[in-house]
Amino acid sequence: GAGVSQSPSNKVTEKGKDVELRCDPISGHTALYWYRQSLGQGLEFLIYFQGNSAPDKSGLPSDRFSAERTGGSVSTLTIQRTQQEDSAVYLCASSLPGGNRGYTFGSGTRLTVV
Amino acid sequence: AQKVTQAQTEISVVEKEDVTLDCVYETRDTTYYLFWYKQPPSGELVFLIRRNSFDEQNEISGRYSWNFQKSTSSFNFTITASQVVDSAVYFCALSGGATNKLIFGTGTLLAVQP
Repeated sequence: GAGVSQSPSNKVTEKGKDVELRCDPISGHTALYWYRQSLGQGLEFLIYFQGNSAPDKSGLPSDRFSAERTGGSVSTLTIQRTQQEDSAVYLCASSLPGGNRGYTFGSGTRLTVV
Repeated sequence: AQKVTQAQTEISVVEKEDVTLDCVYETRDTTYYLFWYKQPPSGELVFLIRRNSFDEQNEISGRYSWNFQKSTSSFNFTITASQVVDSAVYFCALSGGATNKLIFGTGTLLAVQP
C-alpha cells in the first residue's frame, strides 16, 4: 500500500481481556517497528523486526506483550490480560533495510482499557 | 547507551517569530542518524529530516533549517517566520548501531499564537 496501515484505529477493551493490534507495512519494507505513546509522553520502543532475523524484543514491557510478523509482512501485536496502564496509542513504522533511510509511521491504534 | 534530550517541554511564540527547538544526543556509535518528526494534533508522525553522522552540513528547507554540531552533540531545528500551522509536538530521534531502532526524545510542544 501507499502507507503503513494500522487497525483498528480505536479499541476499547475491558481490563483482563486480550487484544490484537494489526500493522500492514509499506510493500517492500523489510523492517517493522512497534512503539507506544502514552498520553502526553514520548515514544517508547517496543519491538523491531528485520527480515528473517530474530526480532529485537528488548522494549516489550512485560511478558503479557508479544508480537509476530507473518511472511515478512503483516505484524500483530498482542497484549494479554490488559491492564489500565496499557492504555496508549500503539504506533507501527516500517522502513527499507537498515531503517536509516527513514521510517514511515502509521496513524496508530488508540487502546483504552476500562 | 543512546539517549536523546529535548529540554524544552513547551514553547509558545507569536506568529512570524522565529523559534529554535533544541536537541542533544548521546551515543557511542561512530555511525548514526538523527531525525526530526512533527506530530500535529491529528496524531500522525510526519518525517521532516534525516542526517547522518558524517554530514555536518546545515540544511535549509523553506522556513525550516537544521544545525548539526557533532562537537556539542546537538541537532537543533529552527522554524523561521512561524505560522499557526506549525503548532505541533516535535520529536528529535537517533538511530544507529546494530539494531537501528529509533530512540526518541520526549518532544517539544510548540504553540504558535495568531
